[in-house]
Formats: sequence, C-alpha cells, structure tokens
Amino acid sequence: GQSLEQPSEVTAVEGAIVQINCTYQTSGFYGLSWYQQHDGGAPTFLSYNGLDGLEETGRFSSFLSRSDSYGYLLLQELQMKDSASYFCAREDSSYKLIFGSGTRLLVRP
Amino acid sequence: NAGVTQTPKFRVLKTGQSMTLLCAQDMNHEYMYWYRQDPGMGLRLIHYSVGEGTTAKGEVPDGYNVSRLKKQNFLLGLESAAPSQTSVYFCASTNGQGAGNEQFFGPGTRLTVL
Repeated sequence: GQSLEQPSEVTAVEGAIVQINCTYQTSGFYGLSWYQQHDGGAPTFLSYNGLDGLEETGRFSSFLSRSDSYGYLLLQELQMKDSASYFCAREDSSYKLIFGSGTRLLVRP
Repeated sequence: NAGVTQTPKFRVLKTGQSMTLLCAQDMNHEYMYWYRQDPGMGLRLIHYSVGEGTTAKGEVPDGYNVSRLKKQNFLLGLESAAPSQTSVYFCASTNGQGAGNEQFFGPGTRLTVL
C-alpha cells in the first residue's frame, strides 16, 4: 500500500502560487522526489530532496523536513500547462520509488 | 537516443492468456523498474532489477515474472492474465549514481484483460 499522503486535488488560478504537501513514513527513507504526469502521459521528474531544505528549479521548488517526515512542492507563476497530476515519491534502497496517490492540479484562467 | 521504449503500446487479453511486455533503454542504465498504474492512483512497483541478470520483487509482484538477460532490456511476463491486471504498465530506468536519481519512464503499455 501507499505510505505517503498527499491531497487528492488542488485548484488554483493562472499566475498564482500553489503548494502541494506530502507526508511519508520514515522506514528506509533516502529522499523525496516529485514527478509530474499529464493525462495519458508518462511521469517526468521534477525535483529531489535528499537533505532538509529547499531545492529550486525554475518555477518549481521542493522542500523537505526529515524531522517532520514532510515535504512540499511549490509551483510559482502557474500556467495552464501546469494542469497535471503531481506525485511525491519516497526513495528507497536500490533507488526504488514508492509513490503517493497523486495530487491532481487544475489551473483555471 | 530513444530513451525508454515499451512494446506494445496497447493490448487486449482474455483471462488466462499470457503475454510479455518489453522494455528497452539505450542510456546504459543499470537499474530498471516495472510499475503499474490504476485509474486515479499512483504507480506501484511490481519488480525491479539492479543490473543485468538480477531481478527483485517490488510492492505488488504476484502474478508477474521478469527477466533481465541483457542490460538494455527488461521483460515483464504475465503467465495467466486476470481482469485485476488491467492497468497501465510503465517501465523506468536510472543510472544509479548517487542519491535522488531521476527515473526515466517509457510511454506505457495499456493492458485490458477481459
């Protein structure tokens, strides 16, 4: 079963900022990754946090707090093309990924 | 480079039939993975491989077998398909160098078992 929790849906307005939270179980935890998946498409890598703190990649940032078993993905200057599902994934041994159930982001004009 | 490719893209099976899904990567990656994704859900790891000739079970291995005879190929087999195996199957690979390695995903195989 899934050992990560994230909201099922988030709605935001174009140009706004949205934060998608993720909590995880700590057993065998190496780091937290984020993937984006458009409808009908394959997941694509967005970001990774192995240490506490913020990682920034363009309009996307990701944060990790190991002590709180918590992370989030921050999307700034939202665009219509950002409408997609976003998955947090816990990195396990052998670089395995255990995925959350995903957050469906709808960006409205 | 083609990246990660999967064959076939679509398939319909009858209960009890068998089939093999092929995953190929041209990035010389050591690590390869098979996931399934059911509607509205995240990906669940079926089996994985840490190198040529190796395989290991993931979260949901029952009803599936895998083989990694060549480094670039990772095969997923269904010996006797069941309707519960109707899903989208994704293959992924990574180079395994350092933590947080990006996994590169294939386009997926959409399988329906009647």
